Parts: sequence; C-alpha cells; structure tokens
Amino acid sequence: DSGVTQTPKHLITATGQRVTLRCSPRSGDLSVYWYQQSLDQGLQFLIQYYNGEERAKGNILERFSAQQFPDLHSELNLSSLELGDSALYFCASSPWGQMDTDTQYFGPGTRLTVL
Amino acid sequence: GESVGLHLPTLSVQEGDNSIINCAYSNSASDYFIWYKQESGKGPQFIIDIRSNMDKRQGQRVTVLLNKTVKHLSLQIAATQPGDSAVYFCAEHEEWQFYFGTGTSLTVIP
Repeated sequence: DSGVTQTPKHLITATGQRVTLRCSPRSGDLSVYWYQQSLDQGLQFLIQYYNGEERAKGNILERFSAQQFPDLHSELNLSSLELGDSALYFCASSPWGQMDTDTQYFGPGTRLTVL
Repeated sequence: GESVGLHLPTLSVQEGDNSIINCAYSNSASDYFIWYKQESGKGPQFIIDIRSNMDKRQGQRVTVLLNKTVKHLSLQIAATQPGDSAVYFCAEHEEWQFYFGTGTSLTVIP
C-alpha cells in the first residue's frame, strides 16, 4: 500500500459525459501527479500540482482539467468523453514535487470505461 | 514527443536466474531515469533510479546500467523470484516531463 488513495476504483460512463476522479496523496506529500495508462499508448504524464499550484503539464487534453485543493487532495475532471479516453488513470504523490529527485508513490488507479 | 522504447515485450526466466530488461531512449538531454514495476491490478512501483552523471547504480537485488553513448538503459534483477513477475518499464525525465516505455512483461518460471 503506497498511501495514495484514488476513488472510484471503476467508472463506467457514456460518450459525451463528464467525470471526476479523486486522489488523496500520502500524508505529508505536497505534490500530486496524474497519469493516463492505455493499452495502445502506455503510461503518459498528464499534469503535476505542487501545494495547490500547477507545476508541470504533459500530454493533457483541453477537455481534461485538474486542480489541487488546500487540503492537498486533487481531482481530475474529464469532459466530453470519447471512447478513446477509456484507460487507467493513476495519481501519484511525492514530498516536494521535484521530478528528478523525489520518489513518486502511485495510487491503485481508477479504471474508466467509456461506452 | 520523445521515444522511450523497450527491446523485448516479454521475458521468461527460470526462478533463481538473473533477468535483464532493456530500454532505449532517444533524448540525450534526459537527466534522470527510473525503473518501475507494475503488478497486475496495481499502480507502478518505484524500483531504482539513476542520474545521467552515473553509469551504474545498485539496489537490493537490482542494478541499473546507463549507457549514454548508445542511449540505453538496463535493469538487472539478480536471483529472480516468482514475486518479480510483473511488467517493468523505464521512464526518462527531461524538462519537467516524464516519458515512459511501454513495458516488458517478466514471467518467472518456478
């Protein structure tokens, strides 16, 4: 158990809908990262937050947005869902948000299925 | 985007043997590399990392080798155990981004 929690575990929805994925980082970690893992593209970095502020942005679509709240939990919002958005979405956390020194601890993931 | 690829998609080894998993990367500016292990139904788990100013780093039963000349990274697992069965993938860090390989599935045969 990494200490990172994600809810829900599974999510099934229809195209065009909007969903929110939630992540609680490990106690004491200030930074949260979101990743998408699909069968055809592997693991892709989406976005990083540190202490409530966006720090780095990866391959995140404009239909997707995220935020980190004062209590440090984070939400990833996916809108206008398409079939291709079906994937595992992972959240990770790290103490200081330094990508090249911090160890990132991954949560168990949310499996999103878009029908 | 950057290209981080793996030479072999699957690898089967006998329990007790050593395993070697390879990874090629394309960006010579990448400064930090990580190996992750992902078991079925779980999130990736950090195994070992190495900075670009190093050639080799050892952990408990694992060694990472970095060859910057040919942009190649390898993970060596000594005395492979059934619990090592998982997907292993490398990641490279470059300019506030992480790029991941697609992974190698390691199966340990008892």
